[in-house]
Amino acid sequence: DAKTTQPNSMESNEEEPVHLPCNHSTISGTDYIHWYRQLPSQGPEYVIHGLTSNVNNRMASLAIAEDRKSSTLILHRATLRDAAVYYCILRAISNFGNEKLTFGTGTRLTIIP
Amino acid sequence: NAGVTQTPKFRVLKTGQSMTLLCAQDMNHEYMYWYRQDPGMGLRLIHYSVGEGTTAKGEVPDGYNVSRLKKQNFLLGLESAAPSQTSVYFCASSYSPTGINNQPQHFGDGTRLSIL
Repeated sequence: DAKTTQPNSMESNEEEPVHLPCNHSTISGTDYIHWYRQLPSQGPEYVIHGLTSNVNNRMASLAIAEDRKSSTLILHRATLRDAAVYYCILRAISNFGNEKLTFGTGTRLTIIP
Repeated sequence: NAGVTQTPKFRVLKTGQSMTLLCAQDMNHEYMYWYRQDPGMGLRLIHYSVGEGTTAKGEVPDGYNVSRLKKQNFLLGLESAAPSQTSVYFCASSYSPTGINNQPQHFGDGTRLSIL
């Protein structure tokens, strides 16, 4: 399975944008890039996903490099509630419905008031 | 709409005891999953189910059994608990994923299990 590499930790000031990077140099053509986050003492929560084009939703934006070997999750205006561990995950999709998610150790995001 | 509910939330067992963790979802999802989370290791898939009456092994299935007798419930069993099974256990569910469907997984809040 293709792997992802993320920084162990990052800090950002409250109300500023946050860019969380993820490297996935061995990504295959059928791998989607998913992001989940895990707030303290809670289960992971889906944030966003994409394949080639940049994606936006109410929670965040996902910027995908043209060669797809890296991506960046963008939180446009961080709040204290965004302090969490963020996971970048490659999800192989096939006609057989392979839905397994492989979690790495993620990036622990700290928001400074 | 409760989403994914796990019971119990906390449990302490002695080595050799058995127990069952219950996961219930009210979203009519086909797929259900059990993960464990240990410090510094992220989440690892234990077993999963692609529909009522089916189960399959994940990454770390040894020492666990599962059953999916009803679509809304997915049970994780420890027949003879060991200290190495001390962990936080998360259940998740997702809608049927055929083709390039990218339905997200919805997680419960976890069961914290300690084996002494």
